[in-house]
Amino acid sequence: SAVISQKPSRDICQRGTSLTIQCQVDSQVTMMFWYRQQPGQSLTLIATANQGSEATYESGFVIDKFPISRPNLTFSTLTVSNMSPEDSSIYLCSVEDGGSDSFGYEQYFGPGTRLTVT
Amino acid sequence: GIQVEQSPPDLILQEGANSTLRCNFSDSVNNLQWFHQNPWGQLINLFYIPSGTKQNGRLSATTVATERYSLLYISSSQTTDSGVYFCAVTLRLTFGEGTQLTVNP
Repeated sequence: SAVISQKPSRDICQRGTSLTIQCQVDSQVTMMFWYRQQPGQSLTLIATANQGSEATYESGFVIDKFPISRPNLTFSTLTVSNMSPEDSSIYLCSVEDGGSDSFGYEQYFGPGTRLTVT
Repeated sequence: GIQVEQSPPDLILQEGANSTLRCNFSDSVNNLQWFHQNPWGQLINLFYIPSGTKQNGRLSATTVATERYSLLYISSSQTTDSGVYFCAVTLRLTFGEGTQLTVNP
């Protein structure tokens, strides 16, 4: 399975500022995703990071707030813009990798970025 | 969109006990995964199981796609099994709310 790293692992930021999170994969992958996990909650998909085109955002998430880049098949960034305390969450990237059968693909997650906004 | 419900929401066990976690989903799926989120927040892949039965050590899982549910079995639980167990479905993963498992020594 793909090995995924994220930077930074954690950060404490002031409200109104922006933070860019990096996701690096050790092999080329077609599909990369960004998720958010608010405190005590489950994971919610923010967007699909598309290589060479704009990201595809889920309902409730917009590009101005969460701009995403995907310059190649091994790297993506997520920016959390104009942060407020409500943005305090764990942000995780994931990739789709070949599954254990020929009919589907398994997703693997990076270690996450724990963001606290004060 | 598809709904994913997990039960029970919380489970407390004594070390050595067995448990069954359930995941119901509202529509047919071609992808279902079980994850364990450890106390440090890392999501660990347990099973990719859109249908059928798989086993890995003390853990096993069964998905009955026609009846839209999946079960995760944990046998002879250990304290290191503690954490949150998530079921997630579809390509753009929709997660259930998870089961918080606590295993006491």
